[in-house]
Amino acid sequence: DAGVIQSPRHEVTEMGQEVTLRCKPISGHNSLFWYRQTMMRGLELLIYFNNNVPIDDSGMPEDRFSAKMPNASFSTLKIQPSEPRDSAVYFCASSFGTRLAETYEQYFGPGTRLTVT
Amino acid sequence: AQTVTQSQPEMSVQEAETVTLSCTYDTSENNYYLFWYKQPPSRQMILVIRQEAYKQQNATENRFSVNFQKAAKSFSLKISDSQLGDTAMYFCAFMKLGQFYFGTGTSLTVIP
Repeated sequence: DAGVIQSPRHEVTEMGQEVTLRCKPISGHNSLFWYRQTMMRGLELLIYFNNNVPIDDSGMPEDRFSAKMPNASFSTLKIQPSEPRDSAVYFCASSFGTRLAETYEQYFGPGTRLTVT
Repeated sequence: AQTVTQSQPEMSVQEAETVTLSCTYDTSENNYYLFWYKQPPSRQMILVIRQEAYKQQNATENRFSVNFQKAAKSFSLKISDSQLGDTAMYFCAFMKLGQFYFGTGTSLTVIP
């Protein structure tokens, strides 16, 4: 298995531009997570999907952030408009489980390093 | 809400020695999972070890083992025979019903 795939690996953009991060979870996994990692705040959960449905988006910082999961094999995290404080590493992770039952470990993608100038 | 606390921001250990990273958590749940993840300079998050709360036996994976104290809500990671490749950030994580909660991490440096 190729593992969780994220693209791009690095993104440099100017303030005000739209940024789209992409994630392909491991085949067969039905839970997908977006995290943001910064030195100041560590690893933060942004949003969590189960069976393509957003379950908890309370970690999404503000309306400039949106996430979609149109199907089981693809998710996007969009920032519009981007700001310098959005600079961080964004991780996507996937796991298998149901909303009511236990799930197991998350498998992380390699991350996308976003720099907003 | 669940919280995970790693009180050691940085640690170092001599190569071949043993080091223990601490983690405490707060929960009212009885059944849950605990994990240690490793993040080397490559940034990739790698699962190191997993512990089910209903199991009394401490999990072990080669040189990595945990000391799980459920009553004390403590979940420390012991690395034996430390190797240079163990240099990384280590994150403790609590999981219940698919929701993961991560600690702030401990930066471990293995000194040759």
